[in-house]
Formats: sequence, structure tokens, C-alpha cells
Amino acid sequence: EPEVTQTPSHQVTQMGQEVILRCVPISNHLYFYWYRQILGQKVEFLVSFYNNEISEKSEIFDDQFSVERPDGSNFTLKIRSTKLEDSAMYFCASSEKPWGTDTQYFGPGTRLTVL
Amino acid sequence: AQSVTQLGSHVSVSEGALVLLRCNYSSSVPPYLFWYVQYPNQGLQLLLKYTTGATLVKGINGFEAEFKKSETSFHLTKPSAHMSDAAEYFCAVSEGPTSYKLIFGSGTRLLVRP
Repeated sequence: EPEVTQTPSHQVTQMGQEVILRCVPISNHLYFYWYRQILGQKVEFLVSFYNNEISEKSEIFDDQFSVERPDGSNFTLKIRSTKLEDSAMYFCASSEKPWGTDTQYFGPGTRLTVL
Repeated sequence: AQSVTQLGSHVSVSEGALVLLRCNYSSSVPPYLFWYVQYPNQGLQLLLKYTTGATLVKGINGFEAEFKKSETSFHLTKPSAHMSDAAEYFCAVSEGPTSYKLIFGSGTRLLVRP
């Protein structure tokens, strides 16, 4: 069964450093998402992406964050200058169609630790 | 704004017992509701979803959930727990056809005792 993959599984970085989290969505999916889960808290929506544009973003997704689909298979989340509070599990997801009715398929996550 | 509340951060059942995980939502529009499961070191996997139509929804691994509009609930049940059901379960709601995001509850960790 097709699945969403994410690399790395765990990333440790120093505060102020840039990090790029990578995701390979399911191949025929057109809609891509990033969520995060701070330890002990809810899974939170960050951003959705379609046709090389951000379609929706949350208030968490400020200027420190950016997303990109650099080629036909990868989808990346960049954090320009990491803060301690960016430490979280970051989940990538993809769906074939948009809207609330379609299933979003999630990757296993990247655990980001900011020291 | 929509929100999801999952009662009980931990639920413990004996193997073979009924599993009941509670989810209540608030929504100003007809909701689309989802249950996801997360096994250790894995991503979120869809168990089942309600969009329209029949209010009793059957999912994978013997789970089912019933959408009750009057109670704003979407509780997840399984008649007989198996050890392999031990995982974290997340209820989520979509803001509807014009929104892309899922809003998650805080999750319930299911423990299954032998």
C-alpha cells in the first residue's frame, strides 16, 4: 500500500539554526499538509499546499516557516531560525482531493529537538 | 471555530472487553468526522470517517463509530478488545468543504490488559 515517508526520523539542532524537514507524499496525491504535535499537546495544523501555492495556513505558520515542492516527489518544510518552542513531532500528510471529505494520509513524523 | 474534546487521556480495558473511546465536537457547520490511530513509531492511520449518509460508520480492525448530531458526539467502539489495539486514538473534525485542515482532539491512549 502506498505510504507517505518522512526524513529524517529525528533531527537535533541548535537554536537559531535552519532546518529542512522532508516528505515524500503518495505519488498520485495533489494536496499536501504539515501538522505538528508538541509533546503532550494536540496535533495542530500548520499549512496546506496545492499547485505550488499555500492554500491555507494557521497562525502558527509565520514568516519563520516555508514550504516547497522542489521536484515532482518531495515536499519540504523549512524553519529558518529555530526556537526552543519549535521542538515537536512534525507530520506530513497528503490527499488525493481537497476538502474535508477526503482522507489525509500521514507519514510517521520527524521529531525535531531544538537545543 | 470548531473543536474536538476527547474524554479520558488514558483508557484501560481487559482483552475481550468492550472498547469505548469518547469524542465530542463543536461545529457551526455539518461536520466531517474522523478517527485516526497511531501505533508506536508510526504515522496516523485512518480508522474510519463520517461525511454524510449512514450515521453508523464501520472502519478497519472491527472498529465502528456513530455520529449523533443531537449529542454532538462521535464515539468509537469495538465489541472485543485485542492486545494489538493498544495505541493512541485521535478524533478529528474537518471544517467542511472549503477548508483543508483537520482539527484534532488531544488523543486517548488505549491500554489492553491480558
